[in-house]
Amino acid sequence: GENVEQHPSTLSVQEGDSAVIKCTYSDSASNYFPWYKQELGKRPQLIIDIRSNVGEKKDQRIAVTLNKTAKHFSLHITETQPEDSAVYFCAAPGEAAGNKLTFGGGTRVLVKP
Amino acid sequence: DAGVIQSPRHEVTEMGQEVTLRCKPISGHDYLFWYRQTMMRGLELLIYFNNNVPIDDSGMPEDRFSAKMPNASFSTLKIQPSEPRDSAVYFCASSFQRGFGEQFFGPGTRLTVL
Repeated sequence: GENVEQHPSTLSVQEGDSAVIKCTYSDSASNYFPWYKQELGKRPQLIIDIRSNVGEKKDQRIAVTLNKTAKHFSLHITETQPEDSAVYFCAAPGEAAGNKLTFGGGTRVLVKP
Repeated sequence: DAGVIQSPRHEVTEMGQEVTLRCKPISGHDYLFWYRQTMMRGLELLIYFNNNVPIDDSGMPEDRFSAKMPNASFSTLKIQPSEPRDSAVYFCASSFQRGFGEQFFGPGTRLTVL
């Protein structure tokens, strides 16, 4: 099955700075890479995703990059704001059919004002 | 659509008691997932269903855990008997078969076993 590793586990940044979270995956058949954000006491929610035929995708202050050769993908948050403080999870499906996702261990991001 | 609905939102029970968690997926979604989240183990997939049929239950920790999906709009996760180490937040999520599988999570059930 798929194995997803996520780094760092915690990240503290000053408001306005950038944050980068990196994930590696093991199954070369993975073709879809979502990122979920979970605020304290809330449910995980999808914030951005990328498919394997694209190398980069942006949505306002967040972007995701994918390197299929190296089997890693990263989340970039620019101009961080206090509301970006949350736990972020990456995920990958592996070869298994059925929309099953394997999640990384999560990164707790703290944006200091 | 109201999104994925879970009940109860909070459950406090004593060790040895039976606990039943409930989930209503988004209408039209073909897949339903049960997750457990703890600080130590993160977000773990317990079991998932496709068209009401259990596909992969390899994440179910032990025989005390069971899950059913009698129809397309309802699923239960049962723990019998419950133990303190089962204390966690349990999420239900659903997704639509066509497409790349974005999962929509419910609000979760916070379970505390004393």
